[in-house]
Amino acid sequence: GENVEQHPSTLSVQEGDSAVIKCTYSDSASNYFPWYKQELGKGPQLIIDIRSNVGEKKDQRIAVTLNKTAKHFSLHITETQPEDSAVYFCAARGGGYQKVTFGTGTKLQVIP
Amino acid sequence: DARVTQTPRHKVTEMGQEVTMRCQPILGHNTVFWYRQTMMQGLELLAYFRNRAPLDDSGMPKDRFSAEMPDATLATLKIQPSEPRDSAVYFCASGLVPGESQPQHFGDGTRLSIL
Repeated sequence: GENVEQHPSTLSVQEGDSAVIKCTYSDSASNYFPWYKQELGKGPQLIIDIRSNVGEKKDQRIAVTLNKTAKHFSLHITETQPEDSAVYFCAARGGGYQKVTFGTGTKLQVIP
Repeated sequence: DARVTQTPRHKVTEMGQEVTMRCQPILGHNTVFWYRQTMMQGLELLAYFRNRAPLDDSGMPKDRFSAEMPDATLATLKIQPSEPRDSAVYFCASGLVPGESQPQHFGDGTRLSIL
């Protein structure tokens, strides 16, 4: 089955700096890669996603890149703000519909 | 915004008791997932349904856990008998198939504590 590894497990940045979270996946058939943000006491919420036929996608301060050859993808947050502090999960969906495998999460702390 | 609704939000009970968690998926979604989240194991997929039929429940301890969808607007996850190691946050998510880029939408979870 699919295996998704995520690094780092914790990340502290100063407000205004950039944050990068990296993930690798094992199943070359994976074709969809969502990123979720989980705040305390809440469920994971989708923040951005990318399909395997796209190398990069951007939404305001958030961007995701995908390297299919190397089987890794990354989340980039620029101009970080305290409200970006949360746990971030990457995920990969393989050949079957909808069943996704999640990474282990990155706890991001933005220091004011 | 359409949301996945889970009840109860919190549940504390003694070991051996039956626990039932409920989920109302987003209207029109035909796929429902149950996850368990713990510090040690992260997000684990327990089971998922498509069009109310169970597709995969390999992540679920079959001797004590059961998942059903009595109708399209309700999914249930039951634990009987409950054990302290079942303490976790249980999430329900729903999605739409077919849909190559359709994400799963999560509820806010049921925080379960078994004493």
